Amino acid sequence: NAGVTQTPKFQVLKTGQSMTLQCAQDMNHEYMSWYRQDPGMGLRLIHYSVGAGITDQGEVPNGYNVSRSTTEDFPLRLLSAAPSQTSVYFCASSLQGGARAYTFGSGTRLTVV
Amino acid sequence: AQTVTQSQPEMSVQEAETVTLSCTYDTSESDYYLFWYKQPPSRQMILVIRQEAYKQQNATENRFSVNFQKAAKSFSLKISDSQLGDAAMYFCAYIPGNTPLVFGKGTRLSVIA
Repeated sequence: NAGVTQTPKFQVLKTGQSMTLQCAQDMNHEYMSWYRQDPGMGLRLIHYSVGAGITDQGEVPNGYNVSRSTTEDFPLRLLSAAPSQTSVYFCASSLQGGARAYTFGSGTRLTVV
Repeated sequence: AQTVTQSQPEMSVQEAETVTLSCTYDTSESDYYLFWYKQPPSRQMILVIRQEAYKQQNATENRFSVNFQKAAKSFSLKISDSQLGDAAMYFCAYIPGNTPLVFGKGTRLSVIA
């Protein structure tokens, strides 16, 4: 049971480049979310999904796109990278309902130069 | 906006002593769930303890316990017999209704040998 798998673990981009952060889970979790972590800011929600075909914006969605074509995958796309998007990105998943505990991926450290 | 406030950016504790990390939150929901997560230098997010708001009894997990004061919207974490391995960032978080986790900004805990 792999849990939540994020790739890549590290990435350096140039300003204006695009890329996709991958997230996959094998626990049949309905809920999936993307967070970014910046020093002194905690984890802030970018986008989330409550099931295949359903996505919604979080607190800081600008500059990011998501889609959820399958239960397992929830990729995060940076359309035109900016230095302000330098951060650590976490994907998380959970079952629906109750005191659901989230399972987190190991994170992606992204640097935009 | 629903928020989580951790008023102590940094805390320190002597090994074997007890420390309490503070957390307050703001929600209009009557049913919600509260969590403490630990993030060691490896940056992995580890669930420490959780509390259902409808339960009056405070949750405990070995050396970790919470003081949940629903009327005051307070959810503090007590770590007893602190160990060097407890040194980490600690995040308070909650699930307001049917939305993803909302995090505080974190408290960095140092353990002094």
